[in-house]
Amino acid sequence: AQTVTQSQPEMSVQEAETVTLSCTYDTSENNYYLFWYKQPPSRQMILVIRQEAYKQQNATENRFSVNFQKAAKSFSLKISDSQLGDTAMYFCALRNTGNQFYFGTGTSLTVIP
Amino acid sequence: GAGVSQTPSNKVTEKGKYVELRCDPISGHTALYWYRQSLGQGPEFLIYFQGTGAADDSGLPNDRFFAVRPEGSVSTLKIQRTERGDSAVYLCASSLTASGSVSTDTQYFGPGTRLTVL
Repeated sequence: AQTVTQSQPEMSVQEAETVTLSCTYDTSENNYYLFWYKQPPSRQMILVIRQEAYKQQNATENRFSVNFQKAAKSFSLKISDSQLGDTAMYFCALRNTGNQFYFGTGTSLTVIP
Repeated sequence: GAGVSQTPSNKVTEKGKYVELRCDPISGHTALYWYRQSLGQGPEFLIYFQGTGAADDSGLPNDRFFAVRPEGSVSTLKIQRTERGDSAVYLCASSLTASGSVSTDTQYFGPGTRLTVL
């Protein structure tokens, strides 16, 4: 079975500062993918960043980067230079070889002006 | 191009009624997914289609839930004899493929349908 855990229900950060959202997961598979999705109040889930488990290099997408620790089964998201538009729910997700996605319970991020 | 669309955006129904929720995937996407998101939770997988066939329906909670994708494009999630516990946001997503490539398997989500069962 696969599980995804996000232990921070709520976080806040000052505009222009850096924040890190935590995610741990459990899977017995070797080949899987990890994702961070953002869900603003409009409800639409938006892909933020993705990582293949077989790649050691951490994925980076503009102000967003991950710290992928495969042995520790940890996949944290760092948001640099936080902007007001980053305020949203953030979900960590794991995709297994069966193409099923497992989501965490989310972290509500508020960027404070 | 257009993203994933879902209709209606909100649906209120009475306990015991039948409802249909529609999803229009991104044009050309072969894989389509349905999720249910309860308040304060992450999306929970229900079913996914590869083309017209249901490749995995293991997430459907019981036989009151059924989904179809007859022409490999639009999909309809059908819920019979609705119960109050069915109240949730139902999300649809599509991906270009479901072949094992992260770039083409990445899912793109619609805005969801909020179902309220009174």
